[in-house]
Amino acid sequence: DQQVKQNSPSLSVQEGRISILNCDYTNSMFDYFLWYKKYPAEGPTFLISISSIKDKNEDGRFTVFLNKSAKHLSLHIVPSQPGDSAVYFCAATPTGTASKLTFGTGTRLQVTL
Amino acid sequence: GAGVSQSPSNKVTEKGKDVELRCDPISGHTALYWYRQSLGQGLEFLIYFQGNSAPDKSGLPSDRFSAERTGGSVSTLTIQRTQQEDSAVYLCASSLRVEDWAQYFGPGTRLTVL
Repeated sequence: DQQVKQNSPSLSVQEGRISILNCDYTNSMFDYFLWYKKYPAEGPTFLISISSIKDKNEDGRFTVFLNKSAKHLSLHIVPSQPGDSAVYFCAATPTGTASKLTFGTGTRLQVTL
Repeated sequence: GAGVSQSPSNKVTEKGKDVELRCDPISGHTALYWYRQSLGQGLEFLIYFQGNSAPDKSGLPSDRFSAERTGGSVSTLTIQRTQQEDSAVYLCASSLRVEDWAQYFGPGTRLTVL
């Protein structure tokens, strides 16, 4: 029962272009969403988050959009850089707690020159 | 300051043996989490500790799995009588408080059960 789904296992984008990573969830109790980035042989690194009371959160080149009615969120990276090449995980947590994050299976982003 | 560290980085064991995985959280972080990532799967929550409160063990897959946290700092995840399906990367994370959204992860321990 995959409550957080990342349906694209991989994505390739040219340097300078926009990268869009998508995430869908099924549990309506989720109200806080996070994106993590993971390089090989390292643990995931927190990137950006969004609360369900917002529909957009921006931090530099990274913007997360939340569509609650569609139970969908996306991470936009503009402009994409080669150092952004990594696996990106979407995670969610229900009301009132930051514990027990539920993660998606990840999307491997490759930014090409 | 140092991040979350885990040891060993790799562990190969035979089916039926017990293993212990160690996690050193960031100093001062009161919340500590264990996750695992099996091949092709997302990170799966196992257990979390918050200060001196009783741990939330709801994610532990069987009674062969246990964890403890001594002195509110270092944690050990123990898997008894390992099975091949226990093969995974075991990740530890910590946060200042359980209310903090951002968890800081260690590099993980890759466990292979032959």
